[in-house]
Amino acid sequence: KAGVTQTPRYLIKTRGQQVTLSCSPISGHRSVSWYQQTPGQGLQFLFEYFSETQRNKGNFPGRFSGRQFSNSRSEMNVSTLELGDSALYLCASSWRGQGAGETQYFGPGTRLLVL
Amino acid sequence: SQELEQSPQSLIVQEGKNLTINCTSSKTLYGLYWYKQKYGEGLIFLMMLQKGGEEKSHEKITAKLDEKKQQSSLHITASQPSHAGIYLCGADPIQGAQKLVFGQGTRLTINP
Repeated sequence: KAGVTQTPRYLIKTRGQQVTLSCSPISGHRSVSWYQQTPGQGLQFLFEYFSETQRNKGNFPGRFSGRQFSNSRSEMNVSTLELGDSALYLCASSWRGQGAGETQYFGPGTRLLVL
Repeated sequence: SQELEQSPQSLIVQEGKNLTINCTSSKTLYGLYWYKQKYGEGLIFLMMLQKGGEEKSHEKITAKLDEKKQQSSLHITASQPSHAGIYLCGADPIQGAQKLVFGQGTRLTINP
């Protein structure tokens, strides 16, 4: 079974631009979560989608948004990029997203650099 | 909100030596996950623990969750260069919600 895939793997943008990252979950998985990883803040939860609906959300500004398609693929968008948005963005998928006892499997990440 | 504290933050050991990484939670753990990350890459799932007192092993790595479900340890026996990386513990802060909280990570270096 193929793992979680993320595209692109690397991205360079300038301040003020917007960016869209894509995530394809493991086949059969319906929950997709997004995380941001930075040296200063570590790994932080952004949001989680299940059946095309955002079900959980972390403490990030509205510039960070996402969506999920009927095939469970997900995209996240960051508008009006800031230098502090430079990070590794990780996507994780799980079968139903039921929390305790259900493992999330992570993709390789998209490294975003904002200049 | 739940916080996870890992210790040590970094660890350098001689190849072949044993080592232990700890993860302490400020609240009861409903599910505790251990992941390994190579620098700048995605997380590789190692083990998941749910029940107090639970212990799981995979090859030379053993993870335990204490009875009170607020601390977990990861033990590596006879370390090898392939064990090098960053080890992260993650937890479900709310039962039934898929939003992991992570510790800050432990960077493990194996010297030959």
